[in-house]
Amino acid sequence: GAGVSQSPSNKVTEKGKDVELRCDPISGHTALYWYRQSLGQGLEFLIYFQGNSAPDKSGLPSDRFSAERTGGSVSTLTIQRTQQEDSAVYLCASSLLYNEQFFGPGTRLTVL
Amino acid sequence: GDSVTQMEGPVTLSEEAFLTINCTYTATGYPSLFWYVQYPGEGLQLLLKATKADDKGSNKGFEATYRKETTSFHLEKGSVQVSDSAVYFCALLVSGNTPLVFGKGTRLSVIA
Repeated sequence: GAGVSQSPSNKVTEKGKDVELRCDPISGHTALYWYRQSLGQGLEFLIYFQGNSAPDKSGLPSDRFSAERTGGSVSTLTIQRTQQEDSAVYLCASSLLYNEQFFGPGTRLTVL
Repeated sequence: GDSVTQMEGPVTLSEEAFLTINCTYTATGYPSLFWYVQYPGEGLQLLLKATKADDKGSNKGFEATYRKETTSFHLEKGSVQVSDSAVYFCALLVSGNTPLVFGKGTRLSVIA
């Protein structure tokens, strides 16, 4: 597609359930990023991939969070045993080397 | 560490008023600087950027100049419109494929 796409656009889950969020980057973009946007917290970096490897996982808030990227393309962010504080909009972005990042529309996660 | 500080919102202006949103940064090396905009219900869009000192980024009537001596990248527009109502994020990129460092965002409301 022409832009970064994310699915689902909205996800409502119960506390303790696992969720998977998907990101399809712009074709050919080598780098992929996950951020989290919480009310009152601004934008928080989670993890980024260069190709299929993740040089920087420093932003993952706990070991319940993990991410993978396959084929240098699609990425999945998994949150296990979700907690209410995980409720946020999860944003994905992609870029070419040394270029600006293009963002997807986000997945709004609500943990009840 | 690297950081971005932008003025607290919300900012409310009348249509055709002059807009300034202040942004200052702390970074090692020579970062690239960006303004992203998030319209209601949408993802982040790149508004403008500057990659070196004294560069001026401009788009849609908005401008920002990279000032190394004051470590600033203030966003300005001479005459705002209702359609400019959005959240504006200042961000920096230290090198290559690294995460963007964002400010907390400034919500702008323009009233007719």
